[in-house]
Amino acid sequence: GQSLEQPSEVTAVEGAIVQINCTYQTSGFYGLSWYQQHDGGAPTFLSYNALDGLEETGRFSSFLSRSDSYGYLLLQELQMKDSASYFCAVRAPYNQGGKLIFGQGTELSVKP
Amino acid sequence: NAGVTQTPKFRVLKTGQSMTLLCAQDMNHEYMYWYRQDPGMGLRLIHYSVGEGTTAKGEVPDGYNVSRLKKQNFLLGLESAAPSQTSVYFCATAGGHSNQPQHFGDGTRLSIL
Repeated sequence: GQSLEQPSEVTAVEGAIVQINCTYQTSGFYGLSWYQQHDGGAPTFLSYNALDGLEETGRFSSFLSRSDSYGYLLLQELQMKDSASYFCAVRAPYNQGGKLIFGQGTELSVKP
Repeated sequence: NAGVTQTPKFRVLKTGQSMTLLCAQDMNHEYMYWYRQDPGMGLRLIHYSVGEGTTAKGEVPDGYNVSRLKKQNFLLGLESAAPSQTSVYFCATAGGHSNQPQHFGDGTRLSIL
């Protein structure tokens, strides 16, 4: 089976940097994704890591270490609008439908 | 350029009633998914489809049925609604490569009384 663990909530101040960790257990690994969800809204894709290392997209970066079954999402220059839930997800292979298995989500609160 | 459209956006049902949720996509994606999300929890996969005419069970399929008669539409049915099915339902689609993200609809908020 597959399971993911991430902290339930994180609080940070505007302008700061915050890291949201994710550890996973999976029988087959085909990439770690991160999604953002504002309260009441649809999840939106942020980043995807298939190989070890750091992927950078603007203020957001995502890191993966396959040997440690670990990844993180790094948010820099935090803004109030970054207050949301962040989900890590592992993807099944496409012969299993490419389905995503999500973590429980980390609620990020950005304070002034 | 609608992307993924879910119908309806809200619905209140009585226990035992049936209904169908519609997901329509205009991105020509092969893969479609139905998730449910309960308060303070992540998304759990109900059923999914890897192409027209195919469906498969996800993590929590009991009490739901699906159909994918046309590539662009994925229907989720509740035959006899139960209060435990009160949730927010999200449809998502994805293209055929592993690095392509899933695109989500805005959700259907369903309450079963």
